[in-house]
Formats: sequence, C-alpha cells, structure tokens
Amino acid sequence: GAVVSQHPSWVICKSGTSVKIECRSLDFQATTMFWYRQFPKQSLMLMATSNEGSKATYEQGVEKDKFLINHASLTLSTLTVTSAHPEDSSFYICSARSRTGTNEQFFGPGTRLTVL
Amino acid sequence: GQNIDQPTEMTATEGAIVQINCTYQTSGFNGLFWYQQHAGEAPTFLSYNVLDGLEEKGRFSSFLSRSKGYSYLLLKELQMKDSASYLCAVNGYNKLIFGAGTRLAVHP
Repeated sequence: GAVVSQHPSWVICKSGTSVKIECRSLDFQATTMFWYRQFPKQSLMLMATSNEGSKATYEQGVEKDKFLINHASLTLSTLTVTSAHPEDSSFYICSARSRTGTNEQFFGPGTRLTVL
Repeated sequence: GQNIDQPTEMTATEGAIVQINCTYQTSGFNGLFWYQQHAGEAPTFLSYNVLDGLEEKGRFSSFLSRSKGYSYLLLKELQMKDSASYLCAVNGYNKLIFGAGTRLAVHP
C-alpha cells in the first residue's frame, strides 16, 4: 500500500519555540494532505486540509497563524507550530490522499510533540 | 451538524466474536471507514463501505446501511493483539470525520 512518512517521530521543545513537522508521501502523489491532532484517549481531530499549491483550509477553532501549513509539492506538506506552549503537546498525525484511486487516506506514523 | 457515535469501551474474550456499532449524522456522505489504532501509533486501515451491505475481509467484516446512518465492524476469532481502539470515520465533503473511537480489550 501507499506509504506516508512523518519527521520527526517525536520532539521535545521549550515553550515559545517553533517546531516544524514534515509529512511526505513516499510512493504516490498526494493532491490533498490532512493534519490531525490527537490528545490522550481521544479521537483524531482534523486541524486543516491542504491542497498542493493553495492555502490550507482550517477547521473551526484552529488558529491559522499558530499552525502554519505549507503544501509546496505533491509529496510534501509541513506543519509548523509557532510559539509552542505546553497545551500544544499532543500527537500530530498527517494523512495523504492520492490524486488517483479511492477516497482512502493513508496515515503517517505520527509525531509526538512535548512542550516543556 | 456532524455527529458520529460509537461505544466508548468494550471487552471480549479471546476466540469470541465482537460487534462494534457506529451511527452517524453528517452533512455529506461519501463512504465510511473503519480504522484500528494501537496506543501511540497512527490509525491503520481496516475497511471501507460506500454501498449498503457487508464487506468481508478475513476475520474482519463491516456493514453499512446508509438509510439508517449505521455501520458495524465485526471481529471474529478474537486474538489478544486485537486489543486496540477502533475508529469509525465518515468521508464527508472532502474530509474524514472521526468518531471518538471504541477501546476494545480482549482478555484470555
């Protein structure tokens, strides 16, 4: 099946710093990538949808100036958490949908962010 | 509004059969997915239903009734490794909407 990678797999940072997370589709071109956040024992909450070459569409309640998304190519999307605070500590998961085929989304392995 | 309901927790015995139900009310519908998620890991795809009826894939089956806004995931011959969260997700307008997930505990 299609493979999506995320980097880094985990990161610890100080409060006030910015963190960039990369999401790559390794063996297919993804017209659309999605960014989710998951708090412990909760389900995935969609943060934003990004289409290659255009601005991301953010879900209600997600600050676009805090969570910067760039989908520069058909295989790469990045999420930057700016001025991170402890409440931003979470599991961030990306997914990618192929430009061909079904509506299935292929998930990356996730990035565990801990803000001290 | 968007609403997806599934039980919070379930327990079952190794070797048994368990059915996890999901009801949904969404503004758009373009298929329903079931995912398995182990703690600290990303979800893995189990099944996809877009038409009414039963889809069978090995020990896992999934059923959909669009008129009732209802789906279930059936797990047969349960194994200890099936202990995980099971997420029901509806494909709405260009995005997946996830339910809260059902934590399944399989015991000997």
